[in-house]
Amino acid sequence: EAQVTQNPRYLITVTGKKLTVTCSQNMNHEYMSWYRQDPGLGLRQIYYSMNVEVTDKGDVPEGYKVSRKEKRNFPLILESPSPNQTSLYFCASSLDYYGAPDTQYFGPGTRLTVL
Amino acid sequence: GENVEQHPSTLSVQEGDSAVIKCTYSDSASNYFPWYKQELGKRPQLIIDIRSNVGEKKDQRIAVTLNKTAKHFSLHITETQPEDSAVYFCAASGTGGYNKLIFGAGTRLAVHP
Repeated sequence: EAQVTQNPRYLITVTGKKLTVTCSQNMNHEYMSWYRQDPGLGLRQIYYSMNVEVTDKGDVPEGYKVSRKEKRNFPLILESPSPNQTSLYFCASSLDYYGAPDTQYFGPGTRLTVL
Repeated sequence: GENVEQHPSTLSVQEGDSAVIKCTYSDSASNYFPWYKQELGKRPQLIIDIRSNVGEKKDQRIAVTLNKTAKHFSLHITETQPEDSAVYFCAASGTGGYNKLIFGAGTRLAVHP
């Protein structure tokens, strides 16, 4: 089954404790992206990746890191989480038709709480 | 950069009525406009999209219209059903390509039996 998976689905942590949220897709998509969703703000892009070893900042990258060592995986890293990073996080992937935008498929979401 | 505004933020209709959600965008270079539906506790899922070379697209009870001159696009749902209750997000492609999407803030639609 074609899908995007994320782990963990729920995470409660404390300020400053490094964490990683994994994202994996089995559709051979070139493009992957991380969003955070907060009430009244919609979905805001954190980081994106065009392909292996190619990543760039989105609209709200502060406090986050990513890596793309394999095409299927795109982990989101919070080196020192803070309470303002409490949010619902979505990973998404899509085909890249030479830069033309296309349907993005979302993972199930990770609800993160930073105390 | 691109900015997308979505209205209304909440919408309540009776079953069988039509619902319309409107979005405006700022970047005239945007050329892809998807709509996503997010049910409670679920992931956003694409329900319909339109590209800038098309003015209208329909899929059963759902339609999207695009006015490039005015830089706005709308989602129309006819014969609404309780299962249409969800949050709907519009989005517009951002500048620089790379599949970047800028999302509206969302509309919470409630369809009452």
